[in-house]
Amino acid sequence: QVQLQESGPGLVKPSQTLSLTCTVSGGSISSGSYYWSWIRQPAGKGLEWIGRIYTSGSTNYNPSLKSRVTISVDTSKNQFSLKLSSVTAADTAVYYCARVRGSGWDGAWDYWGQGTLVTVSS
Amino acid sequence: QTVVTQEPSLTVSPGGTVTLTCASSTGAVTSGYYPNWFQQKPGQAPRALIYSTSNKHSWTPARFSGSLLGGKAALTLSGVQPEDEAEYYCLLYYGGAQLVFGGGTKLTVL
Repeated sequence: QVQLQESGPGLVKPSQTLSLTCTVSGGSISSGSYYWSWIRQPAGKGLEWIGRIYTSGSTNYNPSLKSRVTISVDTSKNQFSLKLSSVTAADTAVYYCARVRGSGWDGAWDYWGQGTLVTVSS
Repeated sequence: QTVVTQEPSLTVSPGGTVTLTCASSTGAVTSGYYPNWFQQKPGQAPRALIYSTSNKHSWTPARFSGSLLGGKAALTLSGVQPEDEAEYYCLLYYGGAQLVFGGGTKLTVL
């Protein structure tokens, strides 16, 4: 069974860069047709899609975050990563990684990580 | 700005049937929006239920079904169980490489 696990600092200072990693186990990140996505959820609020990376390395980002987001993949470590620059308190949220099966936008979202809380504060 | 609207809250009796909807500010939701539905319980990650309007995952209980209804995406629960009490989110695809989640529906089983 595929499992995803987020990791990274739980506290980031304003104006700095938030960096998170999602480690995939139970399957190779580079095999098959999958998109690997990041989603976030502020406390007590709804979900927001951040972006995704395909097995090949191609990316798509939420237009509202595009200028600050970079998603990359490290196949040797079976991981993919999120960098969000110039963070403010509004970026405080639980960050999730997830897998989407398929090569288009009609993919099936299936497995999610448990989420990691990132707080932006000085 | 694109907005996806869901009922903020719904209440259903055990054994009853309830339909949650997902509407788009841009007009009618069609199969080309590839609606996905997720269930989230307090303190847990979302769990995928439905993809591409009506397709179920292997773990999706048979009482959950997805459809298009009156220009919206819909999630119907038939024979609701107490464990179905949760927040439910829909997700729509918009051309231009954009995915937007709905605001969520808090389902109470009472």
